Amino acid sequence: DTAVSQTPKYLVTQMGNDKSIKCEQNLGHDTMYWYKQDSKKFLKIMFSYNNKELIINETVPNRFSPKSPDKAHLNLHINSLELGDSAVYFCASKGGPYNEQFFGPGTRLTVL
Amino acid sequence: GDSVTQMEGPVTLSEEAFLTINCTYTATGYPSLFWYVQYPGEGLQLLLKATKADDKGSNKGFEATYRKETTSFHLEKGSVQVSDSAVYFCALELGGGFKTIFGAGTRLFVKA
Repeated sequence: DTAVSQTPKYLVTQMGNDKSIKCEQNLGHDTMYWYKQDSKKFLKIMFSYNNKELIINETVPNRFSPKSPDKAHLNLHINSLELGDSAVYFCASKGGPYNEQFFGPGTRLTVL
Repeated sequence: GDSVTQMEGPVTLSEEAFLTINCTYTATGYPSLFWYVQYPGEGLQLLLKATKADDKGSNKGFEATYRKETTSFHLEKGSVQVSDSAVYFCALELGGGFKTIFGAGTRLFVKA
């Protein structure tokens, strides 16, 4: 019954590698997001999508490329990983009668 | 630019103490305001929200009032429990609901 799911939960990789994080929501929402949370818990929006279309890109480096194959999925691909990319990445979706945002459990990315 | 400022933590309280976490915002237009809670190892969950001036959001004993004149949305609870220990985020929503800006988070510890 998971509303917003992300895989993997943990990702440890070397600098320079390319990796992907997947996100799926089963809530029927039109809007999905990616957020980055740093080690001090500061949470910053990266992208928002509505009906598979990119709405907001918050000056994220173009090494980060989101892809929404359908309304239920918003994946995040990261090229040439850097140490500063280490963080927890949260996917979220929004909708429903109260227009509420639901967050996934997060993916902890560690770049060595 | 648009921003949210909340009091720095950590905040440490004894069980049954009164809680206030201050939050002020800067925004063009008329944002919706939110409090989210993040328990250890989890994603954020919506705690309460208010969509217009003088609205009061409430949930699980927590409440906050949208004060346009002071651009504030302070979170209060009359009697905290150990289970309230978490990080609390104040947030505002703009851009037709496609962009949410979060404060830096305030960690709350409640001692038995």
